[in-house]
Amino acid sequence: QSVLTQPPSVSGAPGQRVTISCTGTSSNIGAGSDVQWYQQLPGTAPKLLIYGNANRPSGVPDRFSGSKSGTSASLAITGLQAEDEADYYCQSYDSSLSVVFGGGTKLTVL
Amino acid sequence: EVQVVEFGGGLVQPGGSLRLSCAASGFTFNIYAMSWVRQAPGKGLEWVSGISGSGSRISYADSVKGRVTISRDNFKNALYLQMNSLRADDTAIYYCAKGEGRLVNSYYYMDVWGKGTTVTVSS
Repeated sequence: QSVLTQPPSVSGAPGQRVTISCTGTSSNIGAGSDVQWYQQLPGTAPKLLIYGNANRPSGVPDRFSGSKSGTSASLAITGLQAEDEADYYCQSYDSSLSVVFGGGTKLTVL
Repeated sequence: EVQVVEFGGGLVQPGGSLRLSCAASGFTFNIYAMSWVRQAPGKGLEWVSGISGSGSRISYADSVKGRVTISRDNFKNALYLQMNSLRADDTAIYYCAKGEGRLVNSYYYMDVWGKGTTVTVSS
């Protein structure tokens, strides 16, 4: 049972927009901790996609965007491409003094 | 090039010990917090432990507290994870990850990841 809750899977057709939610509590996201998103392509290490709730590292396409409100956060992907098929994880920090991850969401491009 | 490379994984019997190492290069190691994150087969990411840039502040996940020790050698640009009393559910790929900032806190994130080293606990 992960501290942050994500849907196990989402899907969309090429060119469409999909969103992935990440729900926390008042001890992590709701306490003001930043939310990050990581993309993990099959068989590879995770890659930072969004940091500080809505910021993209250099090299990440602007098709990826993040937002945060209250105890939740969302990752949006527009103009879906086949190469976006991957697992996506949200991450934050909990008042128990630990880093926490969501359970991960598998994105399927139809 | 900024990179981290993990070493030391392998097959170990239940109750055994293992020490993982992570070699860092391409950045000023002693000003960045570092973490170990693991991923069990077919499962999601689980943060294991983090250490501040100076090494003075350390935190652990409840699942490993009392069994693992994180440390760093800022002269050798190296991060370590000493794992004792290993159990089958410690079987995972262990990733070393560079943090952005000196501390593991509410703004913490991991911007550089290694390829991981595999730990298998089995008799």
